[in-house]
Amino acid sequence: EAQVTQNPRYLITVTGKKLTVTCSQNMNHEYMSWYRQDPGLGLRQIYYSMNVEVTDKGDVPEGYKVSRKEKRNFPLILESPSPNQTSLYFCASSLQGTYGYTFGSGTRLTVV
Amino acid sequence: GQQVMQIPQYQHVQEGEDFTTYCNSSTTLSNIQWYKQRPGGHPVFLIQLVKSGEVKKQKRLTFQFGEAKKNSSLHITATQTTDVGTYFCAGQGPGAGSYQLTFGKGTKLSVIP
Repeated sequence: EAQVTQNPRYLITVTGKKLTVTCSQNMNHEYMSWYRQDPGLGLRQIYYSMNVEVTDKGDVPEGYKVSRKEKRNFPLILESPSPNQTSLYFCASSLQGTYGYTFGSGTRLTVV
Repeated sequence: GQQVMQIPQYQHVQEGEDFTTYCNSSTTLSNIQWYKQRPGGHPVFLIQLVKSGEVKKQKRLTFQFGEAKKNSSLHITATQTTDVGTYFCAGQGPGAGSYQLTFGKGTKLSVIP
């Protein structure tokens, strides 16, 4: 089944403890992206990647890192999480980047 | 940067009534995409509009892209309880290789049976 898989689905962590949210897609898509969703603010793009080793900042990149060493994987790294990074995170992928994205099921992160 | 405004923020309708959500961009778009997110779910791609003045239909859903490629609308005819969710528009800029997708804040649709 064609899908984008994120892990974990839920995560509670403490301020400053490094964490990684994994994202993997099995559709051979070139474009991948991370979004955060907050009430009243909608979906905001954190980072996106056009291909292996090619990434660029979205609207809210501060406090996040990404890497794209393989086509299928696009992990989101929070080096030193803070409470204002508590949010619902979505990974998404697209074959061409200018057509519809397939979203993962989301990761609900709480930083205390 | 590019901004995409979407109204209304909330809409409550009686089952069988029509529903429309509107999207407006601060800049000309190369394309606009529409997504639906069910409560507790993730956004699901519905459709993409590319051409100026384009109209596309999916059963009871009608999507329009404005002549200036800066605004769009989604109209649902005779809503059903299965239409409940938040509808997002998302626009991509006109520049070649512009892959940043900017989402509107969404319209949350409630359908009263």
